[in-house]
Amino acid sequence: GAVVSQHPSWVICKSGTSVKIECRSLDFQATTMFWYRQFPKQSLMLMATSNEGSKATYEQGVEKDKFLINHASLTLSTLTVTSAHPEDSSFYICSARVRAVSYEQYFGPGTRLTVT
Amino acid sequence: EDQVTQSPEALRLQEGESSSLNCSYTVSGLRGLFWYRQDPGKGPEFLFTLYSAGEEKEKERLKATLTKKESFLHITAPKPEDSATYLCAPEGDSGAGSYQLTFGKGTKLSVIP
Repeated sequence: GAVVSQHPSWVICKSGTSVKIECRSLDFQATTMFWYRQFPKQSLMLMATSNEGSKATYEQGVEKDKFLINHASLTLSTLTVTSAHPEDSSFYICSARVRAVSYEQYFGPGTRLTVT
Repeated sequence: EDQVTQSPEALRLQEGESSSLNCSYTVSGLRGLFWYRQDPGKGPEFLFTLYSAGEEKEKERLKATLTKKESFLHITAPKPEDSATYLCAPEGDSGAGSYQLTFGKGTKLSVIP
């Protein structure tokens, strides 16, 4: 149980284009989903928190107009990187908190984004 | 500001050689402390949650313990498949009733056959 999937697992896009990453909780309903970014040899940094049906809360320094988050249902959240630049190249990981069970967060496998 | 320090940064063990990883933390409104395992190019895999000082949890060769300022991950008789980066993440109150994880940089464990 508590499986989280992400799609795609890797993507290469050209500078100036947009790319969408999907995060799904496969076998549970998630009240809250989180988006993290991880640069090489660094730890995970929280970008934003999203609750189903409401606007995402972004961490300080994260541009909400650049990283669009939509949490449309209890099993799906999407992150769209708009007007991507090479410095946006990173490993993006989502997590989901199991609804009304515990505080545990279960992570997806990550999406490697490379902007050329 | 919440802070998490993991030590050592890297650890090489011979197969069967037991050791401990340390996580020191300063977090406001601690709700729980999480341990994850991360393999290269993968998302973190949940291992344990500890909620109160004195609590211990075990899973196969791993045992996690918690005090008010530290958590330890003990690895008994490790095998090569235990090689990974182990992440500590206390969950604290970020304000307005919301909680978030603060991750340490991790300890990269290598177990040599």
